[in-house]
Amino acid sequence: EVQLVESGGGLVKPGGSLRLSCTASGVTFSNAWMSWVRQAPGEGLEWVGRIRSKSDGGTTDYAAPVKDRFTISRDDSEDTLYLQMTSLKTEDTAVYYCTTEGTAFDSWGQGTLVTVSS
Amino acid sequence: QSVLTQPPSVSAAPGQTVTISCSGSSSNIANNYVSWYQQLPGTAPKLIIYDNKKRPSGIPDRFSGSKSGTSATLSITGLQTGDEADYYCGTWERSLNFGGVFGTGTRVTVL
Repeated sequence: EVQLVESGGGLVKPGGSLRLSCTASGVTFSNAWMSWVRQAPGEGLEWVGRIRSKSDGGTTDYAAPVKDRFTISRDDSEDTLYLQMTSLKTEDTAVYYCTTEGTAFDSWGQGTLVTVSS
Repeated sequence: QSVLTQPPSVSAAPGQTVTISCSGSSSNIANNYVSWYQQLPGTAPKLIIYDNKKRPSGIPDRFSGSKSGTSATLSITGLQTGDEADYYCGTWERSLNFGGVFGTGTRVTVL
C-alpha cells in the first residue's frame, strides 16, 4: 500500500518562504512521477505542479499562479519529494497534498496546512 | 480557476442513483483520460475512477464513469449515506503542458 506523508506546513508571513516535504513508502519512488495539489479553505482542488522521474528527465511543470515562485524537487535516495515556496501570498493559503501521478492522481497524502497571514 | 465545470450539488434518497457531469473542452477532456475523486468531509481526496471508466481495487461497482467528446459523467447507483462527499473530476490540459486540471466539485447529499 502506498503511503505519502507530508510535513512542513505552518504559519508564514506574506513574502516569506516555506519548504514542504513528502515522504513516500510502498512505491518505487524513483520511478514515480509526483505532483503537488492544493486546496484553499472551502474551495476545490488546484494542481500546483509536478516532477517527472529521473529516467523521464526529472523535469518539472508548474501552474501559472505559482510559476517562478515555487520549486519542486526530489531526493530519490530518501524517497522524499519537496516543494520550496517563496514570495508567498495570502492566496497561497491552502492544504497541500502530494500525490503519485500516473494516468490519474493515484495516491494522496493526508495534506499539510500552509497559512499565509500577517 | 477550474476549467472543468460540474454542478455544485446533487441529491437523492438512499438506494437511488445520482449522476455528476463534468464539462470541458477539446484541449482537456476530449483528448485525455478523465479521473474522479471522492473527498469525504475532513479527509484527503481518493481516486475512485481512472482512465475514464476503470475502478481501482476496492472501489465498489456502484461507482461508474463514462466519457463522450468534451464531457464525462460519474454515476453512483444504490446510493448510501457513506457516499455523502464532494466529488471532483480531473484530467490533463494541453495548454498547460498537460498539467492537471480539476472540476469545480459536486457535493452529493443523501436525503
